[in-house]
Amino acid sequence: NAGVMQNPRHLVRRRGQEARLRCSPMKGHSHVYWYRQLPEEGLKFMVYLQKENIIDESGMPKERFSAEFPKEGPSILRIQQVVRGDSAAYFCASSPLQGEAFFGQGTRLTVV
Amino acid sequence: SQQGEEDPQALSIQEGENATMNCSYKTSINNLQWYRQNSGRGLVHLILIRSNEREKHSGRLRVTLDTSKKSSSLLITASRAADTASYFCATDASGAGSYQLTFGKGTKLSVIP
Repeated sequence: NAGVMQNPRHLVRRRGQEARLRCSPMKGHSHVYWYRQLPEEGLKFMVYLQKENIIDESGMPKERFSAEFPKEGPSILRIQQVVRGDSAAYFCASSPLQGEAFFGQGTRLTVV
Repeated sequence: SQQGEEDPQALSIQEGENATMNCSYKTSINNLQWYRQNSGRGLVHLILIRSNEREKHSGRLRVTLDTSKKSSSLLITASRAADTASYFCATDASGAGSYQLTFGKGTKLSVIP
């Protein structure tokens, strides 16, 4: 059973471009979460999704950020028109209902 | 201060010594989890303790939970150089089950060979 898979591991984007981060949850997990980690900080919750539904997006910026978890395929975190302040590590986690959350290796986004 | 705040921020010990890290939180929780993060890497789940549990062991790890004080501790016994990492506690305070974990800023542990 492979763990949570995130790709790419590293992503460099110029200001104004779009960043698409992908996350495949562990087999059997129907809950996906996205977190952002700034340098020397803990993880901050962004969004919680189940298949085809956004359950809680209270931690996600209102503009430029969106997330989806389609019926087929990975969950996608999309950042439009990236700015330098978006540079961070983005982690995806998955869990079964009320279970332990397992994290992927993260995508490190650098905006130049 | 935010939910799930670790103390100390940094800890440096000699190999073989025990390391104790503390975590305080503010609201009622369903469970508390400890994670390890090696520099520049992902998070590794260490242990989950539920709100009705007081102590849990896993190998060289011992976690305690005191809900009356809203605090938890992580003890690593007989530390090794490979234990060098940042350690985070994360609390789940949601009423509907585990879906939003709140992390502290972590304790950076250095184990000197």
